[in-house]
Amino acid sequence: GDSVTQMEGPVTLSEEAFLTINCTYTATGYPSLFWYVQYPGEGLQLLLKATKADDKGSNKGFEATYRKETTSFHLEKGSVQVSDSAVYFCALSPYGGSYIPTFGRGTSLIVHP
Amino acid sequence: EAQVTQNPRYLITVTGKKLTVTCSQNMNHEYMSWYRQDPGLGLRQIYYSMNVEVTDKGDVPEGYKVSRKEKRNFPLILESPSPNQTSLYFCASSLASPLGTSGRSGELFFGEGSRLTVL
Repeated sequence: GDSVTQMEGPVTLSEEAFLTINCTYTATGYPSLFWYVQYPGEGLQLLLKATKADDKGSNKGFEATYRKETTSFHLEKGSVQVSDSAVYFCALSPYGGSYIPTFGRGTSLIVHP
Repeated sequence: EAQVTQNPRYLITVTGKKLTVTCSQNMNHEYMSWYRQDPGLGLRQIYYSMNVEVTDKGDVPEGYKVSRKEKRNFPLILESPSPNQTSLYFCASSLASPLGTSGRSGELFFGEGSRLTVL
């Protein structure tokens, strides 16, 4: 079945540091790929998405590129802020067939001033 | 405003006392789902629904029931709660078409969560 693997956290960075959170997936065909963010005390919200190979999703300074050849969708940001402290979830939705999204376990990011 | 609304947001109950967590969305979404979030385990899907009167089990359905009598509502029912159901619960919805008829799946919209404690 489909699966998503994220790097384990927590990831602890100083403000203005570069961020990478790795995400790899296993799925048949061409799934859509997502990053969701969960701020403390809130539900998940979509951060960015990509629906086909080589697409780059971007939002709020975050970017991720859909790499079919490496089955990856790594999240990056050039300069993190304290307000980026949250839990980040990588997810996929299969193309066709039964629509059941698959989530990674989440990666906690802590940014210090 | 487009949203998914869950109630209650916080609940403390005792073992065996039936409870219902309501979920309502105002976006006319076909797909709705319930997840639980536990430390170290991430999000696990409990039940989902492709449309009215169509529900199916997710990864961890034991101890839960759902119903989908109306498109906008998808309540989660715990007939006899137990302490291992203490968790943070999220409802989510999406415009994604069932069985891939649209060819592409859309984003999920989540409620703010319901924190349940079973003593």
